[in-house]
Amino acid sequence: DAGVTQSPTHLIKTRGQQVTLRCSPKSGHDTVSWYQQALGQGPQFIFQYYEEEERQRGNFPDRFSGHQFPNYSSELNVNALWLGDSALYLCASSLIAGVQETQYFGPGTRLLVL
Amino acid sequence: DQQVKQNSPSLSVQEGRISILNCDYTNSMFDYFLWYKKYPAEGPTFLISISSIKDKNEDGRFTVFLNKSAKHLSLHIVPSQPGDSAVYFCAVVYGGATNKLIFGTGTLLAVQP
Repeated sequence: DAGVTQSPTHLIKTRGQQVTLRCSPKSGHDTVSWYQQALGQGPQFIFQYYEEEERQRGNFPDRFSGHQFPNYSSELNVNALWLGDSALYLCASSLIAGVQETQYFGPGTRLLVL
Repeated sequence: DQQVKQNSPSLSVQEGRISILNCDYTNSMFDYFLWYKKYPAEGPTFLISISSIKDKNEDGRFTVFLNKSAKHLSLHIVPSQPGDSAVYFCAVVYGGATNKLIFGTGTLLAVQP
């Protein structure tokens, strides 16, 4: 049973560029959430997708956008990158988005913005 | 404003002894609490959870205690093993319609052989 997978594992971009990160949820899961983990911090919630709609959003600017596909996989797009976007980006999936549904995390994509 | 606080950035424990990791939260509306473990180059792995209607939940060597009046959560690991060495994150779910997680900053546990 495949867990949550993310690609790429590492990425280097320069300021002003755009980036797309990809996530495939755990088999049977239909809800995908994205988190940003800066160095020395805990993961911070970016947004959650369910039924191809953004269901909830954290305190992140509109430069951060996402998409969920009919097969439940998801993309995170970040436009106009700046140095502060350097972080580990984590994708988590769950079966529906109920309060007590455990989220399972992928290994993350480490983004470095120069 | 940090809603979930883990005030100990690191903890060192001898193998076989008890590890106690602590977490404080500010909002009484939080109603579901979790602990995740994270190894380098891996994503967080779910360990154990507890609902606000309980004050203790046990799973093998791991026990989570919830003190709602103090807004305090703790994770006990007994006995500690070298493989438990990792960063431990406390996370909470706001009492709403989704399972959005709010994480603490983590505690690095080192279990010495």
